[in-house]
Amino acid sequence: QKEVEQDPGPLSVPEGAIVSLNCTYSNSAFQYFMWYRQYSRKGPELLMYTYSSGNKEDGRFTAQVDKSSKYISLFIRDSQPSDSATYLCAMTYLPGNTPLVFGKGTRLSVIA
Amino acid sequence: DAGITQSPRYKITETGRQVTLMCHQTWSHSYMFWYRQDLGHGLRLIYYSAAADITDKGEVPDGYVVSRSKTENFPLTLESATRSQTSVYFCASRDSGSSYNEQFFGPGTRLTVL
Repeated sequence: QKEVEQDPGPLSVPEGAIVSLNCTYSNSAFQYFMWYRQYSRKGPELLMYTYSSGNKEDGRFTAQVDKSSKYISLFIRDSQPSDSATYLCAMTYLPGNTPLVFGKGTRLSVIA
Repeated sequence: DAGITQSPRYKITETGRQVTLMCHQTWSHSYMFWYRQDLGHGLRLIYYSAAADITDKGEVPDGYVVSRSKTENFPLTLESATRSQTSVYFCASRDSGSSYNEQFFGPGTRLTVL
């Protein structure tokens, strides 16, 4: 079992829909959780960052962490065609020296 | 230009040839990383470096060599390319003082080994 599991999709939704992207993980030592967005033929870029359990909101994006269930989510409200990308979850034990462990990524298409 | 750049952006080579992928960053970030991205596997860490002359293996280091003589450069060499090394390679960097552990990625190098 990989440390981080993420449904690769693809996921296709109409414009304006609420999107839910999810990852599960097996290592309870993970403390820092991130979501990266990757447009086609580009490198990933950091979208959201959360520490420990709870919710964090940034505009139309909400990141949610449930450490008891080892489950993280990214919600996109009022999805736009410009949100079409691959979303990768990532996590690590410490913010300093340890490398990130990435999920495989979920490809999202928002149809106008 | 400021940021992180990779060269070449596209490369086609043959089995058995040596290939070097270049990565350059202008931020003076201490950490640099090499990943490969394949369908069905996502991003996998090949090697990383905490500073000049300090490198460490990641998840999939076999068949790759790295060096870091200068902080800003982190070349990745495939000593004898194999078809299984056909992939998209991403370089990334991170500031050691970053509390967010944010990695900044380059645009990628698409490598095909025939």
